Amino acid sequence: ETGVTQSPTHLIKTRGQQVTLRCSSQSGHNTVSWYQQALGQGPQFIFQYYREEENGRGNFPPRFSGLQFPNYSSELNVNALELDDSALYLCASSMTGYEQYFGPGTRLTVT
Amino acid sequence: GENVEQHPSTLSVQEGDSAVIKCTYSDSASNYFPWYKQELGKRPQLIIDIRSNVGEKKDQRIAVTLNKTAKHFSLHITETQPEDSAVYFCAASTAGYALNFGKGTSLLVTP
Repeated sequence: ETGVTQSPTHLIKTRGQQVTLRCSSQSGHNTVSWYQQALGQGPQFIFQYYREEENGRGNFPPRFSGLQFPNYSSELNVNALELDDSALYLCASSMTGYEQYFGPGTRLTVT
Repeated sequence: GENVEQHPSTLSVQEGDSAVIKCTYSDSASNYFPWYKQELGKRPQLIIDIRSNVGEKKDQRIAVTLNKTAKHFSLHITETQPEDSAVYFCAASTAGYALNFGKGTSLLVTP
């Protein structure tokens, strides 16, 4: 079983609020990627962090932002929540960027 | 950007039969092609991957083939078992960067 962990498991927020999701990468992994998975869909790439720097971004607005810390853990912040932001948020860690191992995800519901 | 198409969207097989899932990609720069298995309510699990310098890779009952000229790759599962029932996602990426996922195949293996 992978060592990637995420918190919280579930979260319910109101439209317009802000949320912070957290991810601890597997030991030795220096790259963290975040994905949004809507119900019945494949994960969609939000952004990737490598050694505390953003290493690329998918087609998501600036209200989606992130951080990576010196221990390679990471945060995903979403401002001004919209109903369409309701999804499973997955982080994945990797050593090289190739084999990406996913955490269990955070289920975000926006009402 | 990269566009990954996956077929079929659902697949039902009898236990012991083989299952084949096919994906095509659009970006000729893509060089890494992983497959993930996602059980209901669980994280995507990396089950096998292939890089562009290899045409085929096998791991026990699972194999992946890649045709770079035609830009398609396939997952083959032999001697299927009920525990193989899950949603399978293919993905493509360039140099281990963002994974671009297909929409998934829901595989049902009936005893």
